[in-house]
Parts: sequence; C-alpha cells; structure tokens
Amino acid sequence: KAGVTQTPRYLIKTRGQQVTLSCSPISGHRSVSWYQQTPGQGLQFLFEYFSETQRNKGNFPGRFSGRQFSNSRSEMNVSTLELGDSALYLCASSIGALAMNEQYFGPGTRLTVT
Amino acid sequence: GENVEQHPSTLSVQEGDSAVIKCTYSDSASNYFPWYKQELGKGPQLIIDIRSNVGEKKDQRIAVTLNKTAKHFSLHITETQPEDSAVYFCAASKGSGNTGKLIFGQGTTLQVKP
Repeated sequence: KAGVTQTPRYLIKTRGQQVTLSCSPISGHRSVSWYQQTPGQGLQFLFEYFSETQRNKGNFPGRFSGRQFSNSRSEMNVSTLELGDSALYLCASSIGALAMNEQYFGPGTRLTVT
Repeated sequence: GENVEQHPSTLSVQEGDSAVIKCTYSDSASNYFPWYKQELGKGPQLIIDIRSNVGEKKDQRIAVTLNKTAKHFSLHITETQPEDSAVYFCAASKGSGNTGKLIFGQGTTLQVKP
C-alpha cells in the first residue's frame, strides 16, 4: 500500500506570493492533518480534516487555510507569504475520525520564502 | 495550556548500549502517546505508541512506558544500532472530541556510535 504523498517536495516563493500544497492520504484513510515543522518551533499543528470537514485548527493566522476533497485528498494554502513561513509542511493521514488512531506522515513539502 | 517536554535534546550512545528518552505532558486529559523517528530529509515515522489503558508496550528492541499519575512516558531502545541514529519525537493527544491533534515534544537527536 502506498504511503502518504505530498507535492511538490520543494518550493521557493517570494514574500507576498501565495502557495498551495497538496497531500494524498494512504488509500482508505479519511482523516488528514497538517503540521508545520521549523527548527525554532518544532512540530506545530495547523489543521485537521475528516470527510471534507475541518475538525480542528491550530493557532495560525488566517493566511493559512486548507480543505479536503471527497476523495480525502487535501490541500493547504498560504496567502501573502512571509519569511517566517519558511518551513517543512507535513501531512499525516489516519484511518478514521476517532482520536487515538495512528497517524502516518508524508515526506513533507519544503517551502522556502525569499 | 497543552505542552510536552522532552529530554534530553541530544543523546550519544555506543552501539549495543541502551537509550532512554523521557517526555512529560501537561494535559491530564491526554490518553494517546505515539513516538516518531525522523531521519534526514524524511517525514516522521511512527515507531510505537501507547494508550492510557496500558502501562507498557514492547516491540522487539523498542519499548514505551507510561506513568499517568506522574504524567510522563519514556522510550527505551535496547541494543542500539547505527541505523537507530535519527531525531525522535514524542507526542500526546487527548484522544477525545473527534480530534487527533498531536502535541509534540521538541525532539531528541540520537547518535549511535559504531
């Protein structure tokens, strides 16, 4: 079974631009979560989706948004990019809606904002 | 607020020795505790997890212990091998409210010297 896939793997953007990142969960998984990883802040929760509904959102500005499609694929968008948005963005999928389900991470998208 | 403290931040052991990483969580409602291993250029890989209804879980050379009263849990790796070298993250989740939001520790860089 294929793992979580994320595209693109690397991205370079300029301040003020916007970016869209994509995540395809493991086949059969219906829940997708997004995390931001930086050397200073570590791994921080962005948001979580199940059946196209956002179930939870972390403490990030409104410039960060996401959505989930009917096939469970998810996208996240960051508008008006700032230098501080440079990070590894990780997507994780789990099989169902209940908490305590194992979450499996993709390889991440490395975003660099210049 | 929700917080997970992880120690040590770096750990160097000789091949064949044991390694122990400790985490403390603040939210007493937490009841799911996964551990992840992250190698350079990859996403975090789930290596073991424990739920609050058990005190210990073992999988070959890896074991996790949980003390709910003290709100801490630990990862034990026995007979370490060079391929165990990586960054290890602990995490905690409330496991309720239909959200799988994980709160991560800051990570431990484990170096196993041949």
